[in-house]
Formats: sequence, structure tokens, C-alpha cells
Amino acid sequence: GAVVSQHPSRVICKSGTSVKIECRSLDFQATTMFWYRQFPKQSLMLMATSNEGSKATYEQGVEKDKFLINHASLTLSTLTVTSAHPEDSSFYICSAPGHITEGYTFGSGTRLTVV
Amino acid sequence: AQSVTQLDSQVPVFEEAPVELRCNYSSSVSVYLFWYVQYPNQGLQLLLKYLSGSTLVKGINGFEAEFNKSQTSFHLRKPSVHISDTAEYFCAVRTSGTASKLTFGTGTRLQVTL
Repeated sequence: GAVVSQHPSRVICKSGTSVKIECRSLDFQATTMFWYRQFPKQSLMLMATSNEGSKATYEQGVEKDKFLINHASLTLSTLTVTSAHPEDSSFYICSAPGHITEGYTFGSGTRLTVV
Repeated sequence: AQSVTQLDSQVPVFEEAPVELRCNYSSSVSVYLFWYVQYPNQGLQLLLKYLSGSTLVKGINGFEAEFNKSQTSFHLRKPSVHISDTAEYFCAVRTSGTASKLTFGTGTRLQVTL
């Protein structure tokens, strides 16, 4: 079945630095990628939707300049957390929609800790 | 817009006991319904889905769910749980668009003990 590979699985960075998270669709083309953020013991909150070859669509309240999304090819979407702060520490998950009958395929998530 | 309500944030249950995790949704259009499971520090895994047809759907790991249109519910059930079923369970809906968003419920923590 469809697989989305997400890297890194864990990252610790210092305040003020930037971190890039990659999601690759391994055996299918993902023209759309959804990026979610999940706080401990909470649900997934959609941050933005990336579309190959065009600008990402951000949900209300999500800072575009802080969470940079790039979808340069049909198999790769990236999320860069710029000038990270401790409050950005969270679990980030990407997801690509499969065929309408197949639901979505999720990456394995990235645990970001900003110290 | 659609929304999903999971009434129980936590459900403790003994091993080999049956369990039901509740999910209700609201939408002005037809939706597809999903249940996902999340183990600690992992992504989400699809348990089962309802698209159309039979209202009782069976998924992986012995789970099943029943779609009830009149009650706008999609409760998840398992007749006998195992310790390994301890995880977070999310109910989700999406509309029929090819790249439509998934809307998640707040999740239910299933805690199975001996």
C-alpha cells in the first residue's frame, strides 16, 4: 500500500535555530500533503495544506513565516520551523490523501523538542 | 463544515472484556468515516473506514464499527480487547472531494489492563 516516509523521527534543537522535516511519498505521487501538529494527549490540528507547484494554504492562526512549507515535487513536501522556540515543541505529522476509497496515509511523525 | 465528537477522552477496560468507543459527527453533506489508531510517538494507522454500502464495517485487529445515519454515529467496537490494544483512537470524517481534509475528533485513550 501507499507509504509516506517522514524524517527525522526525533529532533532536538536550540532556540532560534531552524528545523526541516521531510515527508516523501514512496510509491505514489502526492500532489497534496497535509501537515498536522499534535500536542500531548490532544488531537491532530491541521496546520497547512501543501500542493505541488503552488503555495501552501495555511489554517487560521498558523504563522506562514514561521512554518515554511515547500512541495517542490510530486514525492516530497517539507516543513521548516524557523527561529524555533520552546513553545514550538510538539509532534508534527504529515499525511497524503490516497484514492478516495483509501483514506489518508500518514507519516510516522516527528517529535520536535526546542531547548 | 463537518465536525467530530468523541465523547470519551479515556476508556479503561480489562483485558478480554468488550469495548465500545463512541463517535458522533455532523455534516451538511455526505461524508466518509474513518477510525485511526495511534501508538505512542507514531503516526496514525487506519483501522477501518465507511464509504457506502453495508453499515457494519470490519477492520484490522478485530475491530468493527457501525454507521448509523439517523444517529450520526460511527461507534467502534471490539468484543475482546488485548493489552496491545492500548493506544489512542481517533474518529475522522472527510467529504467526497479528492483532496478533502480529514477532520478529527479529540481522540479516546483506550487503556487495557490485566
